[in-house]
Amino acid sequence: DQQVKQNSPSLSVQEGRISILNCDYTNSMFDYFLWYKKYPAEGPTFLISISSIKDKNEDGRFTVFLNKSAKHLSLHIVPSQPGDSAVYFCAASAYGTSYGKLTFGQGTILTVHP
Amino acid sequence: DGGITQSPKYLFRKEGQNVTLSCEQNLNHDAMYWYRQDPGQGLRLIYYSQIVNDFQKGDIAEGYSVSREKKESFPLTVTSAQKNPTAFYLCASSIRGRRGYTFGSGTRLTVV
Repeated sequence: DQQVKQNSPSLSVQEGRISILNCDYTNSMFDYFLWYKKYPAEGPTFLISISSIKDKNEDGRFTVFLNKSAKHLSLHIVPSQPGDSAVYFCAASAYGTSYGKLTFGQGTILTVHP
Repeated sequence: DGGITQSPKYLFRKEGQNVTLSCEQNLNHDAMYWYRQDPGQGLRLIYYSQIVNDFQKGDIAEGYSVSREKKESFPLTVTSAQKNPTAFYLCASSIRGRRGYTFGSGTRLTVV
């Protein structure tokens, strides 16, 4: 049972345009969401997070939106840059897990063309 | 600098052999995790440990074993019982009260 789903395996965007990566979840207990970025043969690095008490969180070019009623979140990158080309993982954590065990989506490969 | 060290970066194993992947952290994090990455399947949890001398199975624990004798170390053994061990293995850690992980740089295991 895939509790966190990223239905788009890949996304291709022109440099300077907006990249929108989507993530859906099914577990109502999830109350904290994170996005990680991963380059080939490296470990994922934290990008941005959002708590379920918010519907938006911004950090520079990166904004995460959360729609709790739809159990959907999205990551917007504006403007996109070639260095943003990587695999992006959505992750979720459930209330009550004190160590914040994460459940990950399948990942979306983002390619930003110069 | 604090961080998580996974070694080796590349590992080759013959069928039927057990192999142990190392994971060491100097972040003073309480919890440690092992994930496996396969193309199109994201990161799947193998085992995790919240305190020393205690660990729990994740979603795909069959064919794997772990130990947590020290807070800093969480080695993963891939046994011969693991049917499809070729994958990229990631170790991570987290601290109590804070959500989110710090990841190591991974180990690519190839069965030959």
